[in-house]
Amino acid sequence: EAQVTQNPRYLITVTGKKLTVTCSQNMNHEYMSWYRQDPGLGLRQIYYSMNVEVTDKGDVPEGYKVSRKEKRNFPLILESPSPNQTSLYFCATSGQGSSYEQYFGPGTRLTVT
Amino acid sequence: GQNIDQPTEMTATEGAIVQINCTYQTSGFNGLFWYQQHAGEAPTFLSYNVLDGLEEKGRFSSFLSRSKGYSYLLLKELQMKDSASYLCAVRDSNSGYALNFGKGTSLLVTP
Repeated sequence: EAQVTQNPRYLITVTGKKLTVTCSQNMNHEYMSWYRQDPGLGLRQIYYSMNVEVTDKGDVPEGYKVSRKEKRNFPLILESPSPNQTSLYFCATSGQGSSYEQYFGPGTRLTVT
Repeated sequence: GQNIDQPTEMTATEGAIVQINCTYQTSGFNGLFWYQQHAGEAPTFLSYNVLDGLEEKGRFSSFLSRSKGYSYLLLKELQMKDSASYLCAVRDSNSGYALNFGKGTSLLVTP
């Protein structure tokens, strides 16, 4: 079964404590992406990756890091989380080609106090 | 960058037809997608348009006019489970495979 998994699904943490949200896909997709979703603002792209070892900034990259060492995994790293990073985070993947839709993971709800 | 506009909220009655509009401005249009998102869940793909015209998929249809920078999603025979947010997203050839999303239209279907 084609899947995009994210862990953890829910996380409450404190300001400044480093955390990683994992994303894994089993569809052999080259393209992977991270979004955050906030009320009234919609989905905004944080970072994306066109392939292994190729990453690039999206619209709201400040305070985040990513890595793409393997094709299937694309972790999102918050080195020093702050309350304004409280959000719902989605990982998404897609095949190469303009007609390919993106498949979304189930989401990670992060609260930073 | 891109400017994608869609209504914030709509209400419709079970069994009726509703049309959700989306307008966009982009320098290198390379496809338009519609997604459905129930509260707290992941967006799921509904439709894709890259050429002008209507694409029909069961109760859902999507229309595109590239010259007008305009699309709509048409939902027929509305059901209560269609209450959700509907997201319009545009792919721009200048930004690879990235999708730029509108803020979404929250649709409430009432009995």
